Amino acid sequence: AQSVSQHNHHVILSEAASLELGCNYSYGGTVNLFWYVQYPGQHLQLLLKYFSGDPLVKGIKGFEAEFIKSKFSFNLRKPSVQWSDTAEYFCAVNGDDMRFGAGTRLTVKP
Amino acid sequence: EPEVTQTPSHQVTQMGQEVILRCVPISNHLYFYWYRQILGQKVEFLVSFYNNEISEKSEIFDDQFSVERPDGSNFTLKIRSTKLEDSAMYFCASSRSSGNTIYFGEGSWLTVV
Repeated sequence: AQSVSQHNHHVILSEAASLELGCNYSYGGTVNLFWYVQYPGQHLQLLLKYFSGDPLVKGIKGFEAEFIKSKFSFNLRKPSVQWSDTAEYFCAVNGDDMRFGAGTRLTVKP
Repeated sequence: EPEVTQTPSHQVTQMGQEVILRCVPISNHLYFYWYRQILGQKVEFLVSFYNNEISEKSEIFDDQFSVERPDGSNFTLKIRSTKLEDSAMYFCASSRSSGNTIYFGEGSWLTVV
């Protein structure tokens, strides 16, 4: 089965700063890629997904992610974060099955 | 929009007791999953289920765990004899097919005391 790694455990930013959260995976076959967000006390919600086509994927709330196949990466970006983006972000890779990264906690200071 | 529903939202149980967590997947979905998230940790895969049998399970999913689709709509996770370390949020999920988007329920929070 595939494995997923998220580089940053906890990221602290000020409002309006730009965000990039790293996600790398290891798997030899075709994958589908996802970013989920979990706001404090809530369940997982889908932010965006990549199945095929344009490797730059736009999601909800101004997030986007770029699939770079040669680097086995699917980094999440947002040009200007808001306080309400404070949450845990999980990268997930669907190869044989669905595997999640350890998560990155994002804290946005007002 | 259709969604995965789970009950109960929170259950407190004594160590050694049996617990059944219930899920109603999205109606036209064929693949069902259970994940768990221990507080402060990552989401961990437990088991996937297709065509009335387990298709894959993790090392966490030992003999204390079982899954069942007792009828056309429910998908249950049973923990036979709960341990303290089973305290976690358990997420049910479903997808239309393998490789499709997996949709998660809101989770069932299990506290073992």
